[in-house]
Parts: sequence; structure tokens; C-alpha cells
Amino acid sequence: GAGVSQSPRYKVAKRGQDVALRCDPISGHVSLFWYQQALGQGPEFLTYFQNEAQLDKSGLPSDRFFAERPEGSVSTLKIQRTQQEDSAVYLCASMKGDRGTGELFFGEGSRLTVL
Amino acid sequence: AQSVTQLGSHVSVSEGALVLLRCNYSSSVPPYLFWYVQYPNQGLQLLLKYTTGATLVKGINGFEAEFKKSETSFHLTKPSAHMSDAAEYFCAVSPPLGETSGSRLTFGEGTQLTVNP
Repeated sequence: GAGVSQSPRYKVAKRGQDVALRCDPISGHVSLFWYQQALGQGPEFLTYFQNEAQLDKSGLPSDRFFAERPEGSVSTLKIQRTQQEDSAVYLCASMKGDRGTGELFFGEGSRLTVL
Repeated sequence: AQSVTQLGSHVSVSEGALVLLRCNYSSSVPPYLFWYVQYPNQGLQLLLKYTTGATLVKGINGFEAEFKKSETSFHLTKPSAHMSDAAEYFCAVSPPLGETSGSRLTFGEGTQLTVNP
């Protein structure tokens, strides 16, 4: 596609619900990143995929967070048993190569509000 | 570990005035440095980056930044602000080529730029 696409753009969940956030990266991009951006803060790294391999998940805040990219293209970030502190904008970014230049292309984000 | 500090969460300038957004980093090795801009309800967009070579880098929309190793700084400037520059600006750092995580970015907390007519 022309850019990184994320869905849904907005999600309201009741505490305890599971949510799934989808990311469609730019076609052919090898690398895919998920970031979490709390209100008034900079994005914070969650996890990194190189094709279908999840090479770094050190930023996932708890075992309630799970990400996958089974075919090396679309990725899903799943949050189980959502808590209020999970409220944030979740950003997906893709990159053509696998390292070095750091030129990430970001989607518009999925804004999650947990009530 | 790497970190980024952006001095001033809000900066206000008049249209036509100089824009200066400050960024200092902490890194055990010379990092790659980036500035991203975020317009309301849009994704982050790369303004410019420093990897190696010339320490003064030029980006889109008339912005530039200078890497100063001795000061561990990468301040963003633009000679003359335009109303359309109003946005949030993020400085970011990543490990240099060769690190396992490649382009894993560490962002600052952002600076909201307001341009007054």
C-alpha cells in the first residue's frame, strides 16, 4: 500500500476485555515495529519483527501483551484483560531494510481507551 | 542504555521568527539521531536524520539540525517559522549500525511548537 495502515483508529474497551489492533505495513517492508504513546509522552518501543520473526519483545509491558506477524506482512497486537493503564495510542511503523538507517514510516495509530 | 531529553515541552514563536528546538542525548556510543514531526491525528513523519558524515543535516520544510558530539546535542532549527510548522516534534536516537536491534528508536517526550501570527 501507499502507507502504513492501522485499524481500528479508535477503540473503547471496558476493563478486562481483550482487544486486537491491526497493522498493514508498506508492501515489501521487512521490518515492523510497535510503539506505545501515552498522552503527552513520546512513543515507547514495544516490539520488533524482521519478516515473521519477532526479534525483540523486550518493550512489552506485561504478558498480557502479545504481537504476531505470521506471514511477514500484516501484524496484530493483542492486549488481554485490558487495564486502564493500557490507554494510549499504539503506533505501528515499518522500514524497508532490517537495520541501520532508522527511517521508519509510521501509521496514524490506534487510540485505545480503557474504561 | 540510550536516552533523549528535549528541553521545553512547549515552544511558542511568531511567524517569521527563528525556530530552535533543543535535544540532548545520552549514549555509550555515537548514535544515529533523528527528528520526527507529528501533525494532529497523523503519524510521525521523518524530518531529518544524522548517521555519519557531515554534522549539519538538512531536512524537509526548511529544517536543519547539527550534531555536536562534544555537547551531546542535536538541536533542530528553522530560520523563519511558518504557520504550517505548528506540530509536535520528537527527537529520537537509535543504536548505530551493527547493533542487534538496529533501528529501535528511543524518543524524547516531544516539544509542541506553536506559531503565532
